[in-house]
Amino acid sequence: AQSVTQPDIHITVSEGASLELRCNYSYGATPYLFWYVQSPGQGLQLLLKYFSGDTLVQGIKGFEAEFKRSQSSFNLRKPSVHWSDAAEYFCAATSRSGYALNFGKGTSLLVTP
Amino acid sequence: ETGVTQTPRHLVMGMTNKKSLKCEQHLGHNAMYWYKQSAKKPLELMFVYNFKEQTENNSVPSRFSPECPNSSHLFLHLHTLQPEDSALYLCASSQGTTNTGELFFGEGSRLTVL
Repeated sequence: AQSVTQPDIHITVSEGASLELRCNYSYGATPYLFWYVQSPGQGLQLLLKYFSGDTLVQGIKGFEAEFKRSQSSFNLRKPSVHWSDAAEYFCAATSRSGYALNFGKGTSLLVTP
Repeated sequence: ETGVTQTPRHLVMGMTNKKSLKCEQHLGHNAMYWYKQSAKKPLELMFVYNFKEQTENNSVPSRFSPECPNSSHLFLHLHTLQPEDSALYLCASSQGTTNTGELFFGEGSRLTVL
């Protein structure tokens, strides 16, 4: 079955430190991949997406993600975290023949001073 | 402001009540979606409408009844709900239902069923 897994439920980082959020997918063929962010009391906002081509994708708010086919992963990274980055992060995928997004359970990011 | 507005933001209802959630998008999109977000579970796709036609019903119980009178408005009618239906209901829209399109989400309607 197609699925998206985010192994980390909670992550805590210090402000200014680097961040990596993990995402693994299980699909027969390489899916389209997305990262969304949800701030408290808000809906989801797209950070970045991968369809094909360059495996390092740049997004908004200084985020980037790297697609690794061999590891079935699409990890999200940021070199220096800001307190405003505290939020819930969702990885999502959809097959190239379908459209319904499969979401992971999310990773909650806490940023400490 | 994402261009997708949901009302009400919070709703408390008893199991015998009938209520509706409303979603309106000002983006000129053709497709609209209802998602359910429960604690510790992935977002669940409930319904998809494309050009006002329902194209997806993800095995949702009949106590949830969607309505899409036009491409800008989407409703979710609720009746005889169960406490386990308490969740955040998110509306989203996209330019089409192709999988290359970005979903734009509303802020959600927080539903509590007593």
